[in-house]
Amino acid sequence: ELKVEQNPLFLSMQEGKNYTIYCNYSTTSDRLYWYRQDPGKSLESLFVLLSNGAVKQEGRLMASLDTKARLSTLHITAAVHDLSATYFCAVDGDSWVDSSYKLIFGSGTRLLVRP
Amino acid sequence: DADVTQTPRNRITKTGKRIMLECSQTKGHDRMYWYRQDPGLGLRLIYYSFDVKDINKGEISDGYSVSRQAQAKFSLSLESAIPNQTALYFCATSDLNDSQETQYFGPGTRLLVL
Repeated sequence: ELKVEQNPLFLSMQEGKNYTIYCNYSTTSDRLYWYRQDPGKSLESLFVLLSNGAVKQEGRLMASLDTKARLSTLHITAAVHDLSATYFCAVDGDSWVDSSYKLIFGSGTRLLVRP
Repeated sequence: DADVTQTPRNRITKTGKRIMLECSQTKGHDRMYWYRQDPGLGLRLIYYSFDVKDINKGEISDGYSVSRQAQAKFSLSLESAIPNQTALYFCATSDLNDSQETQYFGPGTRLLVL
């Protein structure tokens, strides 16, 4: 069974600091997604990582994927208040055995960036 | 206008009542999904549909049913609502021809079952 674990679940950091959110998953997968959710809002796609060693960057956020370690990281550089949100990773867990589709989400990391 | 819309945005209902949540999209995507989100948890897949004639159960389909009325419309029904179905419900779509299969989410429907 595919499981996705994020840590930390809550992160309070000061503006200007760097930090990393981790996403571990339990079985092989073809795709890993990062989403952002603002309070009371919907989910917004940030990154899609498709292969081992993939790295994508957008502004102060950089995501990477290590399929051998089954680990993705979301690195925050010089955090600003606007980055405060909840960040989810999600792993594509399509089953070739029963042709079922699964996109399994982590529990989310709630990020609060303090002035 | 939003590409993926959900109605209603908020709903309060009583135990045992039937309720329908509706999702419409103008993105032209074939694939549609229903998820629920509970506080402090990620999203869990309820049902998904890869085209108009295709309906599949997700991780937590018990107590729910769906209808794909058209390519652009995908409805979720709670035949007899119970309090533990209180949650935030999201509809999502994706493009069959998108190799990344990115999902695009609607604004959500907040449901309270008393």
